[in-house]
Amino acid sequence: GAVVSQHPSWVICKSGTSVKIECRSLDFQATTMFWYRQFPKQSLMLMATSNEGSKATYEQGVEKDKFLINHASLTLSTLTVTSAHPEDSSFYICSARGTRLAGVETQYFGPGTRLLVL
Amino acid sequence: AQSVAQPEDQVNVAEGNPLTVKCTYSVSGNPYLFWYVQYPNRGLQFLLKYITGDNLVKGSYGFEAEFNKSQTSFHLKKPSALVSDSALYFCAVRDWEGQNFVFGPGTRLSVLP
Repeated sequence: GAVVSQHPSWVICKSGTSVKIECRSLDFQATTMFWYRQFPKQSLMLMATSNEGSKATYEQGVEKDKFLINHASLTLSTLTVTSAHPEDSSFYICSARGTRLAGVETQYFGPGTRLLVL
Repeated sequence: AQSVAQPEDQVNVAEGNPLTVKCTYSVSGNPYLFWYVQYPNRGLQFLLKYITGDNLVKGSYGFEAEFNKSQTSFHLKKPSALVSDSALYFCAVRDWEGQNFVFGPGTRLSVLP
């Protein structure tokens, strides 16, 4: 079964509104969470990396004031797209890294959230 | 810097035939190599990984991959393709001390009935 969940799976919003996407690790503690975005027919591009309780590290070119990341607990990270615009429409995928089975650190990917900004 | 190349945008294969999806990588140090599959509007599903040990790695759904250090390749293979294998396949690399995956551009596999 899924070990990383994302909510919502789909969101449609008006331009200028803010959208929050949740990423949860379901049966393990995620010491590190990653947020990616994927444009149609393209690969995943890392947006930011966050460790629980500390500020996220953003990749070059990603606006930290635009994409707010909170990693308040070892099982939850949120990505808030502030004042969303049509160009923010994309598929957002989170990933969680932690120790799950047999003490082996592994990274799992969420199912993704499709954002459409009108 | 790490990088991953998947030289083929699209691979077409007939059902029942063997399939190969190619991947080459560049990384400093020892690589961790991964294959993921993505179905439409879905997240990534893990197929297999190479960390160390046997160069031939067996994964989910009958897939396997061979690590070739001299050619810096990690090609994905399956002896007999199924129509349901049609999807987007991503090769990824992570160096042993790195935090993050670097993904290849993806290869779309179409298995024709």
